[in-house]
Amino acid sequence: KAGVTQTPRYLIKTRGQQVTLSCSPISGHRSVSWYQQTPGQGLQFLFEYFSETQRNKGNFPGRFSGRQFSNSRSEMNVSTLELGDSALYLCASSLVQGRDTQYFGPGTRLTVL
Amino acid sequence: GENVEQHPSTLSVQEGDSAVIKCTYSDSASNYFPWYKQELGKRPQLIIDIRSNVGEKKDQRIAVTLNKTAKHFSLHITETQPEDSAVYFCAASGPQAGTALIFGKGTTLSVSS
Repeated sequence: KAGVTQTPRYLIKTRGQQVTLSCSPISGHRSVSWYQQTPGQGLQFLFEYFSETQRNKGNFPGRFSGRQFSNSRSEMNVSTLELGDSALYLCASSLVQGRDTQYFGPGTRLTVL
Repeated sequence: GENVEQHPSTLSVQEGDSAVIKCTYSDSASNYFPWYKQELGKRPQLIIDIRSNVGEKKDQRIAVTLNKTAKHFSLHITETQPEDSAVYFCAASGPQAGTALIFGKGTTLSVSS
């Protein structure tokens, strides 16, 4: 099976802009979780989607949002970008729910100037 | 919510030595504890996991132990090799549907030959 894919792999934006990141899970996986990874902070949970429903949300401002489509592909959006949003954004898919084994995508490296 | 503490943040060992990384969690309801390895520039990959009905699990040179009473779990790597050099993350998740996987901040393991 093909692994989790994320597009784009790299993005450069300026403060105030918005960005949309995409994640395609492993075929058959219905749960997609998103994480923000920054040096020294590890992986911080953003949100999880299952069957097009957001089941859980981490402690991030409302500028961070997401959605999941009927084919389980997921997008996350960050509006009004801030310098501190520069990070590696990882998505992970699992078969059913977040507590099953999660398989990570390669990530999208977002740089905000 | 769940909080996971991971120690040490950096660990340097000689090839052939053992390495131990420890994590504590706060939510007594958590019952799933995976460990991920992330090599430089690559995605996190699951190396071993344990569930709360098991106290120890081994896979070749890697083992994980769980103490539910004390709410801590540890990763043990024996006979370390240079290719074990990476960042290791522990995580914890609860039994409820949609429960987030909460990660520790990571341990950078360096194995010198």
